[in-house]
Amino acid sequence: ELKVEQNPLFLSMQEGKNYTIYCNYSTTSDRLYWYRQDPGKSLESLFVLLSNGAVKQEGRLMASLDTKARLSTLHITAAVHDLSATYFCAVGGSRLTFGEGTQLTVNP
Amino acid sequence: DVKVTQSSRYLVKRTGEKVFLECVQDMDHENMFWYRQDPGLGLRLIYFSYDVKMKEKGDIPEGYSVSREKKERFSLILESASTNQTSMYLCASSPERGYTEAFFGQGTRLTVV
Repeated sequence: ELKVEQNPLFLSMQEGKNYTIYCNYSTTSDRLYWYRQDPGKSLESLFVLLSNGAVKQEGRLMASLDTKARLSTLHITAAVHDLSATYFCAVGGSRLTFGEGTQLTVNP
Repeated sequence: DVKVTQSSRYLVKRTGEKVFLECVQDMDHENMFWYRQDPGLGLRLIYFSYDVKMKEKGDIPEGYSVSREKKERFSLILESASTNQTSMYLCASSPERGYTEAFFGQGTRLTVV
């Protein structure tokens, strides 16, 4: 059974700081997805990582995938308040298994 | 843009009622999914479908059934709603089998009283 674990589950950080969210998964997969969810809203796709060593960047967010370590990271650079949201990673082939989510709060 | 539309944003139902949650996607996607989202548990897959009239159980199918009579529509049915089915329900679709970037609807917050 595929298990996906994120850490931390809660992250409170100051504006301007850097931090990394980790996503570990239990079985081999070469596809990993990151989603963002704002309070009361649905999930929005952020990144699709399709191979070992893949790196994608959008604004202050950068995601990477190491399939050998079964690990993906979502790095936040110089955080701003607008990044406050819950971030999910998901792994799978024809169906996705999601992590528990990381609730990020960026404080002024 | 892909649009996945769920019929209701909020629903309140009584214990024992039969509940229908409807989901429609407009991009001719093959795959459709129903998840429930609960605090601390992330998203858990209830049922999914790769094609019309096809359905597969996800991780937590008990107490639920689904119907996919048309490609664009995937319905989740709670045969006899119970309070432990109070949750946020999210529908998603993805283009084809094996390619699973999923696009989500806005969610239905169901409260069973």
